[in-house]
Amino acid sequence: DGGITQSPKYLFRKEGQNVTLSCEQNLNHDAMYWYRQDPGQGLRLIYYSQIVNDFQKGDIAEGYSVSREKKESFPLTVTSAQKNPTAFYLCASASGSGNTIYFGEGSWLTVV
Amino acid sequence: GNSVTQMEGPVTLSEEAFLTINCTYTATGYPSLFWYVQYPGEGLQLLLKATKADDKGSNKGFEATYRKETTSFHLEKGSVQVSDSAVYFCALSDLGSQGNLIFGKGTKLSVKP
Repeated sequence: DGGITQSPKYLFRKEGQNVTLSCEQNLNHDAMYWYRQDPGQGLRLIYYSQIVNDFQKGDIAEGYSVSREKKESFPLTVTSAQKNPTAFYLCASASGSGNTIYFGEGSWLTVV
Repeated sequence: GNSVTQMEGPVTLSEEAFLTINCTYTATGYPSLFWYVQYPGEGLQLLLKATKADDKGSNKGFEATYRKETTSFHLEKGSVQVSDSAVYFCALSDLGSQGNLIFGKGTKLSVKP
């Protein structure tokens, strides 16, 4: 089945550690996105990529990094520089700029 | 800048009641408008969309009409079910940043039997 797969679903991290969230899509979409969701809040854009080997910062990129070495993959690293990383992270993709964006099931990150 | 404002929840309704969730937007140009739904612990699912003024998006009994004169995209359903309990997000595509979505804060809907 076509879709967007995020892993892991739940992740616990100790303070000071980096952690990488995986996002894979088999929809042949060019554009991929990472959003962060905090309780009772809307979604905020972290990073996005419109094409392989290129990506741009979103509204809250500080403390995060991404790579886009393959069309189907867009991993997000939450670094120790991110001051408040506990949140629900959503990966998304679209066939192109301005087209409908589709979401994965999300990953819960908790810092302990 | 572009923004989306939707009514604050939570909204609690009885089964078969009429639902309206208000959404207004501020944008330059002519963005596409979306409603997404999020069930507990899950990602967002596209519920419906409209790409130009006066378009009506519809899906699963939900409807929303793109009203440019009032900059609104209110979500309606004539008869809600318990299974409609979820958080609903209004969003617009930000043409200035390559189509990224700008979201409202979400409205939690609880439907009681």
